[in-house]
Amino acid sequence: QLQLQESGPGLVKPSETLSLTCTVSGDSISSSAYYWGWIRQPPGKALEWVGSVYSSGSTYYTSSLKSRITISVDTSKNQFSLRLSSVTVADTAVYYCASGACTGGNCYSFDYWGQGTLVTVSS
Amino acid sequence: SYELTQPPSVSVSPGQTARITCSGDALPKQYSYWFQQKPGQAPVMVIYKDTERPSGIPERFSGSSSGTIVTLTINGVQAEDEADYYCQSPDSTRTSWVFGGGTKLTVL
Repeated sequence: QLQLQESGPGLVKPSETLSLTCTVSGDSISSSAYYWGWIRQPPGKALEWVGSVYSSGSTYYTSSLKSRITISVDTSKNQFSLRLSSVTVADTAVYYCASGACTGGNCYSFDYWGQGTLVTVSS
Repeated sequence: SYELTQPPSVSVSPGQTARITCSGDALPKQYSYWFQQKPGQAPVMVIYKDTERPSGIPERFSGSSSGTIVTLTINGVQAEDEADYYCQSPDSTRTSWVFGGGTKLTVL
């Protein structure tokens, strides 16, 4: 049973970089049985997939954030991270980290989620 | 960009059947997923691969697919089912995930 926990600053100033970390327990982040992702939800709005990273090292990002986002993995700490640069008020949201299963070369949607962390962009 | 379309709201009385639809051009060729989200909580997957139900999800939750429309059905709705429901699917390249706009289910 995987467990995921987000951590990072709850307040970021406009134009600065948002950095969040997701700590994974219950299995190795290097396992090919999983992939890892970030999803965000602005207050009162819908869920938005932000990006994913796979055991191959491949990363995919939502097109609207592609120029500002990096998702990386730290296998030594069993963590993966999100960095979003040049943030604006529009980036205020609850950020969730999540994992999905991969089998036989196919990957499926997110069945394990962290509890979410609210990041507010404000001066 | 690819979009999934859901009705903003659905209302049903306790014990009735709730049906929430989701439409998208890639749905005939890509699996769909459904998530339940209650206020202040993380989403929970209730249907995966169009029709499969994760362990621990009540049998009253079911999913179906027909062409470009997938449907989440909740039989015998209970008060505890009141929540926001999101459909999700990969786009045609299977490198991006898309969520629908969400449907608020109200139990009258």
